[in-house]
Amino acid sequence: DVKVTQSSRYLVKRTGEKVFLECVQDMDHENMFWYRQDPGLGLRLIYFSYDVKMKEKGDIPEGYSVSREKKERFSLILESASTNQTSMYLCASRSGTRSSYEQYFGPGTRLTVT
Amino acid sequence: AQTVTQSQPEMSVQEAETVTLSCTYDTSESDYYLFWYKQPPSRQMILVIRQEAYKQQNATENRFSVNFQKAAKSFSLKISDSQLGDAAMYFCAYRLSGNTPLVFGKGTRLSVIA
Repeated sequence: DVKVTQSSRYLVKRTGEKVFLECVQDMDHENMFWYRQDPGLGLRLIYFSYDVKMKEKGDIPEGYSVSREKKERFSLILESASTNQTSMYLCASRSGTRSSYEQYFGPGTRLTVT
Repeated sequence: AQTVTQSQPEMSVQEAETVTLSCTYDTSESDYYLFWYKQPPSRQMILVIRQEAYKQQNATENRFSVNFQKAAKSFSLKISDSQLGDAAMYFCAYRLSGNTPLVFGKGTRLSVIA
């Protein structure tokens, strides 16, 4: 089974802190994604990566950066956490072949910024 | 930009009954995929069903089926013989072929009444 793991289920940080959210997948997937999920807003794409060291901005990249040094790992970085970044963060991965369709999700990280 | 609209923030259904969740999308492309994802209260997002746009036949997975109306850009999910375990957030999603991200609707919260 495909497994996408996220480093923390719950995280509490203070305003201004630098925050790292880690995501690891074990299926050699080319594509990896970071979303944030807020009530009433659904899932919004922050960044995605289709290869090592490659990244593309999603719909809401402001205040975030990403790193993908290895194929299996995709990190989301909050350079200076703010209270409006309190949210559920979901990581996902997917194979890069044209016929692939299923995107696999991690369990999510509930981040609270105080 | 592609958009996905779920017009029903909340729905409820009696156990063993049938419920239909609505989804419309906006695109000018002809080669794309549509999905329904389920997110139970434990938060792990899982794929329920998918539909390739080039296929005219509606997809079916056990008690789950879709009504795909390409011209109307409509993609509804029908759940038959509803079970308590079907209670969850359901997200409709769309993506183009290739290394492209999923675009999600805002979700429909389904309650199943015993």
